[in-house]
Amino acid sequence: DQQVKQNSPSLSVQEGRISILNCDYTNSMFDYFLWYKKYPAEGPTFLISISSIKDKNEDGRFTVFLNKSAKHLSLHIVPSQPGDSAVYFCAASEETSGSRLTFGEGTQLTVNP
Amino acid sequence: DSGVTQTPKHLITATGQRVTLRCSPRSGDLSVYWYQQSLDQGLQFLIHYYNGEERAKGNILERFSAQQFPDLHSELNLSSLELGDSALYFCASTPQGGFSAEAFFGQGTRLTVV
Repeated sequence: DQQVKQNSPSLSVQEGRISILNCDYTNSMFDYFLWYKKYPAEGPTFLISISSIKDKNEDGRFTVFLNKSAKHLSLHIVPSQPGDSAVYFCAASEETSGSRLTFGEGTQLTVNP
Repeated sequence: DSGVTQTPKHLITATGQRVTLRCSPRSGDLSVYWYQQSLDQGLQFLIHYYNGEERAKGNILERFSAQQFPDLHSELNLSSLELGDSALYFCASTPQGGFSAEAFFGQGTRLTVV
């Protein structure tokens, strides 16, 4: 049972444009959502998070939106830069499970110069 | 650099063998989580240790076991290895055992079973 799904294995955008990565979840007990970025041969690096009591969180070029009724979240990167090219993982957790994370399959983002 | 150290980075071994993966958490972090990433898949939670005690188990096979030592480093033991165990194994650490949101990941150990 895949509780967190990223339906797009890959996304390609032009430098300077917006990148939108999507994530859907099924477990209504999830109350915290995170995005991680992963470069080849490295571990995932925390990018941005959002609590279920919010619908938006912004950090520089990165904004995460949460639609609880649709059980959907998205990561917007504006403007996209070539250095943003990486695999992006959506993850979710429940407060009762500590920091145990349930991950999506990842989306490979390629930003073309 | 996340501050989480995993050794070795690469490991090649034969089916039926046993290996031990090591993780040193960030200084001061009490929790260690182990995850497995198989080819083209997301990370799957295996097990969580807090201050030496097992806190939660996920999709961990009976052939796999883990422990956390008094100095807070952790080891993941994989035995009777099968080809399907080939994967990236990550550990992550957080300061506490409860809900502290973002975890910091090591670079991973790439295990290849031949």
